Amino acid sequence: SAVISQKPSRDICQRGTSLTIQCQVDSQVTMMFWYRQQPGQSLTLIATANQGSEATYESGFVIDKFPISRPNLTFSTLTVSNLSPEDSSIYLCSVTTGNTEAFFGQGTRLTVV
Amino acid sequence: SQQGEEDPQALSIQEGENATMNCSYKTSINNLQWYRQNSGRGLVHLILIRSNEREKHSGRLRVTLDTSKKSSSLLITASRAADTASYFCATDWGGFKTIFGAGTRLFVKA
Repeated sequence: SAVISQKPSRDICQRGTSLTIQCQVDSQVTMMFWYRQQPGQSLTLIATANQGSEATYESGFVIDKFPISRPNLTFSTLTVSNLSPEDSSIYLCSVTTGNTEAFFGQGTRLTVV
Repeated sequence: SQQGEEDPQALSIQEGENATMNCSYKTSINNLQWYRQNSGRGLVHLILIRSNEREKHSGRLRVTLDTSKKSSSLLITASRAADTASYFCATDWGGFKTIFGAGTRLFVKA
């Protein structure tokens, strides 16, 4: 299993600013994943973060808008840049450990005003 | 997109009744998982079923998997008001990514 600490748990940000979300795992994992959950919707994968290489982004997500860092095997950050109200969502980080369930942080609820 | 489909999108039942939710997916999988999410809260993992399994039970939950039809179902028996939540199926894609279905919103009336 894996325990994930994600912060901040929520934030209210002004348009045009950026928010950086941190994700800390209690064990070393090869891949970490970042998801977005828009209001009333399911989770959509933003990108896969590997240590020592650039993140791999899903269709519709770009590095300029969602830069990701992965400095070591237990930590990652997701930045949501140039915020607009459409970015108001819950952002979650996740890890998997082999052929098992995915483990999730508690999420960051972002409101852009 | 690898996102699967779930039906129904919403389900309203009386307490004590059974609730069945279905999930379809698009490609071969190693496992399929079901999660619950209460309003505004984190995801709770319910059950994982592997591709070589056809049925799995956990308490009041029963999950089936039909890999030939690329579909799964989640049955909640003797539902309770506390079961009111959104339920998501999720599949592993490419052996490492977890891709979520659209979800079913379940409302259990007391």
